[in-house]
Amino acid sequence: QSALTQPASVSGSPGQSITISCTGTSADVGGYNYVSWYQHHPGKPPQLVIYDVRKRPSGVSSRFSGSRSGNTASLTVSRLQAEDEADYYCSSYTGTHKLVFGGGTKLTVL
Amino acid sequence: QVQLVQSGAEVKKTGASVTVSCMTSGYTFTTYGVTWVRQAPGQGLEWMGMISATNGYTSYALKYQDRVTLTTDTSTSTAYMQLRSLTSADTAVYYCARDYYGSGSFRIDSWGQGTLVTVSS
Repeated sequence: QSALTQPASVSGSPGQSITISCTGTSADVGGYNYVSWYQHHPGKPPQLVIYDVRKRPSGVSSRFSGSRSGNTASLTVSRLQAEDEADYYCSSYTGTHKLVFGGGTKLTVL
Repeated sequence: QVQLVQSGAEVKKTGASVTVSCMTSGYTFTTYGVTWVRQAPGQGLEWMGMISATNGYTSYALKYQDRVTLTTDTSTSTAYMQLRSLTSADTAVYYCARDYYGSGSFRIDSWGQGTLVTVSS
């Protein structure tokens, strides 16, 4: 199973919005409603910010939103804050209880 | 609150095996599964496998299926990951995480603190 494709890096200024893409195939991103996004600060465990394509766990800021079009899922972070600077990973269920992650995207808040 | 507490850092020789434990609390262990993920230095997250704490069903990434064994002890709400035939490429931080699959939903919503495994010759 190949990793999902994410841009290596994105950046934005405080207050702006950014979008991170996650491209897979019809066997993963496009085939199941089980795409998740994780925020990962170095030295800490990852934190779930979006699951089931667009659902937000309790306690996660409404500035985080998810969507999907075909085989590409997207994470949008609105009203950027300095604390949003982190690595972001998408993941997708691929059937028979298997999972695949994206390569990760480094978000820099300028 | 939900907690997953992993065992401490390990240093192993090439060819050895390592077992990482993941002690859980704050939820009904057998209602969820446990997923294992690793991150090598400078690399991204990599899914290794998952185990259902309900019935012990396991699923492994093809890359690891010959070298990894996932188990659970429901009496202590603890999950274990054993990785065999270690090489320097297995040097990484290993995470356990709680997963839920059912009712039209799948998520990995709580993570352990990570365990650094260093493999050297």
